[in-house]
Amino acid sequence: DTEVTQTPKHLVMGMTNKKSLKCEQHMGHRAMYWYKQKAKKPPELMFVYSYEKLSINESVPSRFSPECPNSSLLNLHLHALQPEDSALYLCASSRQSQSEQFFGPGTRLTVL
Amino acid sequence: GNSVTQMEGPVTLSEEAFLTINCTYTATGYPSLFWYVQYPGEGLQLLLKATKADDKGSNKGFEATYRKETTSFHLEKGSVQVSDSAVYFCALSDHGSSNTGKLIFGQGTTLQVKP
Repeated sequence: DTEVTQTPKHLVMGMTNKKSLKCEQHMGHRAMYWYKQKAKKPPELMFVYSYEKLSINESVPSRFSPECPNSSLLNLHLHALQPEDSALYLCASSRQSQSEQFFGPGTRLTVL
Repeated sequence: GNSVTQMEGPVTLSEEAFLTINCTYTATGYPSLFWYVQYPGEGLQLLLKATKADDKGSNKGFEATYRKETTSFHLEKGSVQVSDSAVYFCALSDHGSSNTGKLIFGQGTTLQVKP
């Protein structure tokens, strides 16, 4: 298995909702990442997990809460989001934090 | 700090034309360099990479050479196809003092290939 999977593919939520994005990889990678991508822009790094520990938080608002339950799974919990948080959320993984990153297909999030 | 600069797009070519997308970088130390491709509605796919000076990365007819003297990593393809229409991102891996491997992306170049 050489891919990163993300669910759901699309998500529409209101500003008072709580939802979660899920990411999974079975390549034995020990680093996992969350990115946010707005239209016609490059991805912006949000969080990095290395060996299941949070190693980077790029000053992301607390309404985004990452979780790494095990080495294959990465979640992003969403609460009280704003319309400007609407974007494509990409997960990536790499063998180690210095190796090339492999991206999932993304979750297209719309906040109403 | 580290940065990546790509040529602005969109780039519009006819099928079978030669492609060059320029990428230059600023970095301390010896970063790894990557090209990623993003097809409409999809995530990013790693197209090719180079980890040291004079390395040539290649995949699916695309090539790029890590040029330390000119701090460049230009993407080339000899004959583009309509299916190559996508957004291309040049990126470097910031090994930095914390060895995080953080990716620094260029702004992306949209390629449109017409039949």
